[in-house]
Amino acid sequence: DAGITQSPRYKITETGRQVTLMCHQTWSHSYMFWYRQDLGHGLRLIYYSAAADITDKGEVPDGYVVSRSKTENFPLTLESATRSQTSVYFCASRTSGNTGELFFGEGSRLTVL
Amino acid sequence: RKEVEQDPGPFNVPEGATVAFNCTYSNSASQSFFWYRQDCRKEPKLLMSVYSSGNEDGRFTAQLNRASQYISLLIRDSKLSDSATYLCAVNSRGATNKLIFGTGTLLAVQP
Repeated sequence: DAGITQSPRYKITETGRQVTLMCHQTWSHSYMFWYRQDLGHGLRLIYYSAAADITDKGEVPDGYVVSRSKTENFPLTLESATRSQTSVYFCASRTSGNTGELFFGEGSRLTVL
Repeated sequence: RKEVEQDPGPFNVPEGATVAFNCTYSNSASQSFFWYRQDCRKEPKLLMSVYSSGNEDGRFTAQLNRASQYISLLIRDSKLSDSATYLCAVNSRGATNKLIFGTGTLLAVQP
C-alpha cells in the first residue's frame, strides 16, 4: 500500500537510448503529473493527465512522451535521451477535487552519459 | 521572467529564530497558492495552503498579498527539524491542472 511508486529509482543510460520511467498509484486518483527537478530551476511540469487516455503538455514537454491507458499507471518515455535530460523525475497524483495537494513519488534519478 | 520566483537562500538561522520567505508570482490570474516542504533528496510534501485572509498552523503562518502578487511563509521559533527546502506553488485560474512551483528556498536551522 505504498500509494505512489516510481521505478526505477536510479538509472544511468547513454545518449540516444530510449528510457521509460514508470509511475503507479493505488489511490485511483484522476490526475497524474510528471515533473523534473534541476538545480536552479526547481520543479518543472513535463506532462499531466486528467484521466485515462487524456494527457496534456506542461512547461517542458519536448523530448518526452507519455501515455495513460490505465488510471493507475502513467509512464514517461524519453525516446532518445540527451544529457540535458539528466535530472530527478517526480511523478505525482491528486484527486479531481483538490487542486493543491499533490502526492509525490520518491523520484527517479536519471543520468544520461 | 519566471512565473513563480523565490529567493533560493540559503537562510541560515539559529534555533528559536523567526524566519520569513517570500514568493512572487507573475500571473495576476493566479487563483490558488500553496507551500510545500522538501527534505534533502526526498519528495515534496504539502505544508499548507495559503488563503486570502492568511492562515496559521502552529508555528507556521502563510499570507497572500494579491495587490503585490506575492505569498509569504513565516516560521516562528525555528527548530532543527525545520531545516528543508520550502517551495511555493501556484495554480492559475483556467489552468487549475497546472501547479507551477518556485525554485525553492533552502532553510538551515543551526543549533
